[in-house]
This record gives sequence, C-alpha cells and structure tokens, in this order.
Amino acid sequence: EAQVTQNPRYLITVTGKKLTVTCSQNMNHEYMSWYRQDPGLGLRQIYYSMNVEVTDKGDVPEGYKVSRKEKRNFPLILESPSPNQTSLYFCASSPFWGHGTQYFGPGTRLLVL
Amino acid sequence: LAKTTQPISMDSYEGQEVNITCSHNNIATNDYITWYQQFPSQGPRFIIQGYKTKVTNEVASLFIPADRKSSTLSLPRVSLSDTAVYYCLVGGDNAGNMLTFGGGTRLMVKP
Repeated sequence: EAQVTQNPRYLITVTGKKLTVTCSQNMNHEYMSWYRQDPGLGLRQIYYSMNVEVTDKGDVPEGYKVSRKEKRNFPLILESPSPNQTSLYFCASSPFWGHGTQYFGPGTRLLVL
Repeated sequence: LAKTTQPISMDSYEGQEVNITCSHNNIATNDYITWYQQFPSQGPRFIIQGYKTKVTNEVASLFIPADRKSSTLSLPRVSLSDTAVYYCLVGGDNAGNMLTFGGGTRLMVKP
C-alpha cells in the first residue's frame, strides 16, 4: 500500500531533550515536506526537500533540522525542543513539485513540557 | 510567494451545493491551484487541482477565472461527512518554490 508513515504518533517530552520524528514514504517520490499545524494557524511548512541531500527552509524553520540521506526518509529533528514547538506535525511526499498531489502522513502530536 | 485568503468558516445543509472561494492575487505564471480536505487529527487529503478554467472530478469542481487571481471549489450536494476544513494551496514547479497553505475554511454541514 502506497503510504507515508510517521513515528512516533504521540510524544511527550521535556524542554531541551533532543528528539527525532521519522518520516518514510514507499512511493519513490522526489519531494518531501514537513508541516506543523496549530489551532487558528492552519498548516505551515517547516522544511522541504527536492531530492536526496537537497533541503530548504519553509515558512517556520527556526528550531528544526532535517536531513535527506535517502530518498524514502525525511526525519525532523528538534535539537532542543521548547514548549512553543508543541504542535501537530505532518510529513508529506509528492512526485512533482507544486502541481503534484501531496500525500500526507497520519501526523505526530508533540507535547513539550 | 503566493499568499492565499479563504473564508474562515461556512455553514451549509445536506444536499446543498457549497462554493468556497480562495483569493491568490499574486499567483505566479507557473503556479497550480490545489485543494485539500482535512478531518480532525488526520492528514490533509487531495481533492482537486487545476491551472485555469474548469476542472471536474467525481468529488468536486474547481473554477478558475481567466486572471487566475482567485479560484472556487464547488462541492455538489454535500453530506454530513463533508464537514471538514478545506485548504487552498498555490504552488509551482520551479525548483525552490515553497508551497503555502491558506488558513483553511471550516465547513459545517448540518442535517
């Protein structure tokens, strides 16, 4: 089944404790993105990647890192999480940029205490 | 960077046609317009996409005027299960072009 998977689905952590949210897609898509979703703010893009080893900042990249060492994986790294990073995070992949359908993962709900 | 504006919320009744308009005044020549649907605690799901004029699929229609500064998603005969948030997304295929979601429109379908 074609899908985007994220892990973990739920995570509670404390300020300053490094964490990684994994994202994997099995559709051989070139493009992948991370979004965060907060009440009243809709979906905001954090980082995106156009290919292996090619990543760029989205609208809200501060406090996040990403890597794209393999085509299928696009982990999101929070080196020193803070409470304002409490949010619902979505990973997405697409075969084309802009005019391609984005396939979203199920989401990761993060709470930073 | 193309910014989009949508109504925050809309109400409708079962069986009615719903039209949601998205404004994107600075859309670029190579930008496409895509609409997504999102249910609570789920990832957005693709509904329809277009570049100009009208596009129709089994779920919805998308109307885009000649100047492409706005677009209208049309949902025919909505049901309770169409209650969701609908996002308008504008983006192109140039390398390095970020994708920007609008604020979303919360559609409530009533019996």
